[in-house]
Amino acid sequence: GAVVSQHPSWVICKSGTSVKIECRSLDFQATTMFWYRQFPKQSLMLMATSNEGSKATYEQGVEKDKFLINHASLTLSTLTVTSAHPEDSSFYICSADNRGEAFFGQGTRLTVV
Amino acid sequence: QKEVEQDPGPLSVPEGAIVSLNCTYSNSAFQYFMWYRQYSRKGPELLMYTYSSGNKEDGRFTAQVDKSSKYISLFIRDSQPSDSATYLCAMSAGYSSASKIIFGSGTRLSIRP
Repeated sequence: GAVVSQHPSWVICKSGTSVKIECRSLDFQATTMFWYRQFPKQSLMLMATSNEGSKATYEQGVEKDKFLINHASLTLSTLTVTSAHPEDSSFYICSADNRGEAFFGQGTRLTVV
Repeated sequence: QKEVEQDPGPLSVPEGAIVSLNCTYSNSAFQYFMWYRQYSRKGPELLMYTYSSGNKEDGRFTAQVDKSSKYISLFIRDSQPSDSATYLCAMSAGYSSASKIIFGSGTRLSIRP
């Protein structure tokens, strides 16, 4: 099956700093990628849809200025959490659309201290 | 009311038992219905997906969709300890099963040897 790699797997950062998470499709090109967030014992919640070469589309309630998404190539999308705060601590997961099927990365656990 | 409702469990059954997992939903626009398996601190892995109503079988797994009742099910026959994981139902009203997925909260399943 298609492989999506997410980096880093975990990161700890200080409150007020920014953190970048990468999502790469390793063996296919993905025009569209998606970013999700999962809090403990809760469901994955779609944050935004990332389209190569254009602006991301954010879900209601997600601050676009706080969660910056860049999809500069067909194999890479990045999510930058700016001015992170403890409440941003969560599990962030990306998926990439490969011919109509979503393939998920392994997730990034972000802890803001 | 959540768009997708799923009993979080946990559900514990003996090895070899038939497992039944279910979800209900409220959005009649959903067309794609998926089941994912997620291990702790990992991204979801697609098990099966169904377009519109009907049944689909793949080995020990059977997925059923009843759009009239807004109810979907996943059956696991001859359950194995390796089936122990969190199972997520998911749905999409988007252009494909990869687009704008709405997840249930997940059911934690444990198969006792």
